[in-house]
Amino acid sequence: NAGVTQTPKFRVLKTGQSMTLLCAQDMNHEYMYWYRQDPGMGLRLIHYSVGEGTTAKGEVPDGYNVSRLKKQNFLLGLESAAPSQTSVYFCASSYSLGTRGEKLFFGSGTQLSVL
Amino acid sequence: KQEVTQIPAALSVPEGENLVLNCSFTDSAIYNLQWFRQDPGKGLTSLLLIQSSQREQTSGRLNASLDKSSGRSTLYIAASQPGDSATYLCADKAAGNKLTFGGGTRVLVKP
Repeated sequence: NAGVTQTPKFRVLKTGQSMTLLCAQDMNHEYMYWYRQDPGMGLRLIHYSVGEGTTAKGEVPDGYNVSRLKKQNFLLGLESAAPSQTSVYFCASSYSLGTRGEKLFFGSGTQLSVL
Repeated sequence: KQEVTQIPAALSVPEGENLVLNCSFTDSAIYNLQWFRQDPGKGLTSLLLIQSSQREQTSGRLNASLDKSSGRSTLYIAASQPGDSATYLCADKAAGNKLTFGGGTRVLVKP
């Protein structure tokens, strides 16, 4: 049972470089999310998707872009990395319980350092 | 804007003692509240999800209560074990259809 898989697990970038984080889920979930986790800030939502071909901005979307071309994959891109984007990035997916909410399943995270 | 607070940020207890973790939220109009566990270097694992119409949820040694009127949820872990050492986060779902996370409580259970 793979669940939610994130690649890569670690990455070091120089300021201005670009990269893409990949998230894949094998649970046929409709909803997928990208969060960042910073000390003292908790988890903050970057972007999310409620289905294939759809994306929406979260709480902290600036500097990031996303795509959901296939239902099982959700990509997070950094076009020009900045030191402020040094963080641990988590992907999550969920099935919907309708108005009763969703139970989230998380990947193991990507630790990104921007020098 | 919804804010979720978890105090204390860290907690240390001897093995066998019951754990009480607190979560407070500013907007009582939530749909549900979820408790997560996070081990170092790992992602989050959902422990319990309480719907807004419920007062509590139980799973094994874990019990979570919800009091919307006071804006509080409490996670109880009975007879703590060293394997319970982790960071516990709560998150609520309110208007806007997205989760708001607390900062977490880091728990250490000493053998």
